[in-house]
Amino acid sequence: GAVVSQHPSWVICKSGTSVKIECRSLDFQATTMFWYRQFPKQSLMLMATSNEGSKATYEQGVEKDKFLINHASLTLSTLTVTSAHPEDSSFYICSARDYSGRGTGELFFGEGSRLTVL
Amino acid sequence: QQQVKQSPQSLIVQKGGISIINCAYENTAFDYFPWYQQFPGKGPALLIAIRPDVSEKKEGRFTISFNKSAKQFSLHIMDSQPGDSATYFCAASIGFRTGNEKLTFGTGTRLTIIP
Repeated sequence: GAVVSQHPSWVICKSGTSVKIECRSLDFQATTMFWYRQFPKQSLMLMATSNEGSKATYEQGVEKDKFLINHASLTLSTLTVTSAHPEDSSFYICSARDYSGRGTGELFFGEGSRLTVL
Repeated sequence: QQQVKQSPQSLIVQKGGISIINCAYENTAFDYFPWYQQFPGKGPALLIAIRPDVSEKKEGRFTISFNKSAKQFSLHIMDSQPGDSATYFCAASIGFRTGNEKLTFGTGTRLTIIP
């Protein structure tokens, strides 16, 4: 079946640095990808919708200048956490839908990327 | 209006028993209701989903019951096994297969199956 891959799976960085997380759809093209954040023992909160070739749409309360999203191709979206601080430590998960001819429109999730900011 | 309320927060079921998780929603525009299973340190995986034109959907040991008038839906896991121990999230979205539908997740239920 369709697979969404994230990299890195975990990252530790110092406060003030920037971190880039990649999300790839491995065997289908995704014009739209979604980025979620999940704090320990909590639900997934949608951060933004990433649109190929155009600007991302951010949810209310999410700082677009802090969480930069780039969807440069039909199989790759990146999330950059700029000037990361300890409160940005979280589990970041991307997802994408397969609307190809064989796809059901199911939303596939990546394995997640755990960010720890020291 | 966009909330999906999920209960219980945690659930312990004996092996072989039935696990039942409930969700309720307010927005009648929701038209897709999936359930996701998440293991620690992993992304969620789709378990089963239902659309509001049917009242029940069964896939193996997993069944969704949907009550449109009550705006509630539930997940039943029959013959629960230790490998089912995970966190389960219900979700809902508007605009099925339009391409931009966004999922609203419930708060999650941590299920533990004991031998």
